[in-house]
Amino acid sequence: AQTVTQSQPEMSVQEAETVTLSCTYDTSENNYYLFWYKQPPSRQMILVIRQEAYKQQNATENRFSVNFQKAAKSFSLKISDSQLGDTAMYFCAFMKPSTGNQFYFGTGTSLTVIP
Amino acid sequence: DAGVTQSPTHLIKTRGQQVTLRCSPKSGHDTVSWYQQALGQGPQFIFQYYEEEERQRGNFPDRFSGHQFPNYSSELNVNALLLGDSALYLCASSLDARRSGNTIYFGEGSWLTVV
Repeated sequence: AQTVTQSQPEMSVQEAETVTLSCTYDTSENNYYLFWYKQPPSRQMILVIRQEAYKQQNATENRFSVNFQKAAKSFSLKISDSQLGDTAMYFCAFMKPSTGNQFYFGTGTSLTVIP
Repeated sequence: DAGVTQSPTHLIKTRGQQVTLRCSPKSGHDTVSWYQQALGQGPQFIFQYYEEEERQRGNFPDRFSGHQFPNYSSELNVNALLLGDSALYLCASSLDARRSGNTIYFGEGSWLTVV
């Protein structure tokens, strides 16, 4: 079974600072994808960034980047220059193609950006 | 281009009743998945529909059933409602679950409260 663990239930960061959210996962698969989703109070899940396991290069999307450590099964999200609009729940998710895009989510990290 | 749309947004049901939630996938998408997100938790996979058939199913009882129509829209039905069924129900769509790593789009969810 696949498990995703987010060990930080809550985090806060000053506006314009950098914050890192942690995620670890457990799988015996070699081919899989990892995602970070943002869920603001509106409850809509918004894709932040995704990483293909076969790619060694860490994914980057503007202020968002990941540190993907495949051997350690770690997938952390770094948010640079934090903005007030980054305040939300952040979910780490794992997906393996063999289950047809079925996601396994962590329990989430609530991030608050302080002005 | 409309994204994933769900209805109703909120609803309240009584224990023992039945409920139907509806989802229209993003234009061009043919695969629909349903997730249950209890308060303070990450989404849990219920099932996935492709070509009007249930392709994958999570660890949910038979009280949870679904359907996909020829236009790819989908319904989630829950019978004999329990208090523990109170949650946000998220619909997610993608293009052809057989293609690995397709981007998944989520709707805003349907809030179900069982009293």
